[in-house]
Amino acid sequence: GIQVEQSPPDLILQEGANSTLRCNFSDSVNNLQWFHQNPWGQLINLFYIPSGTKQNGRLSATTVATERYSLLYISSSQTTDSGVYFCAVAKRMEYGNKLVFGAGTILRVKS
Amino acid sequence: DADVTQTPRNRITKTGKRIMLECSQTKGHDRMYWYRQDPGLGLRLIYYSFDVKDINKGEISDGYSVSRQAQAKFSLSLESAIPNQTALYFCATSDLGGPDTQYFGPGTRLTVL
Repeated sequence: GIQVEQSPPDLILQEGANSTLRCNFSDSVNNLQWFHQNPWGQLINLFYIPSGTKQNGRLSATTVATERYSLLYISSSQTTDSGVYFCAVAKRMEYGNKLVFGAGTILRVKS
Repeated sequence: DADVTQTPRNRITKTGKRIMLECSQTKGHDRMYWYRQDPGLGLRLIYYSFDVKDINKGEISDGYSVSRQAQAKFSLSLESAIPNQTALYFCATSDLGGPDTQYFGPGTRLTVL
């Protein structure tokens, strides 16, 4: 099955700093999503981005499907950005388009 | 109101008990999924359903069963709970006719003593 690797595993930032999170995947995919899991455990959809670039406020994401990686950019980080960021991918017709999750990046933003 | 709801949000039970987790959605999506998350890990698929008459096993279905009572409802049962089923359980939905984006419920935190 598809392997998903995220880096770095842990990241500590000072409030206001920028960061880049990376997601590498081992096969072609038709779905790639970025999630933020907040300290209460809720999964928040950030981006659906199987290819290309999207921006939403201070967050943006780029997926280069041909090279099998995606990047999540967080600019001007805030303490509320703390939590775990997951990349998840799916290959159509495998287990009903199930999402395969990476292990996540734990982000801590200090004030 | 939330589009995908799960009940209960927290549950503590004992080994050997039968327990049901429920998921409801108002998004009108055809596809529904159950995942579990263990501490420090990503989510893994338990079961999924493409419509009311369709049930499929995921990668970790042993010890679980599901019921798709209606398009909007998908329940997960633990027939005889064991401690290593202690986890955070998520329900998700996606639209058959649209993008493959999956939308997740708030999760159910289950503890089996």
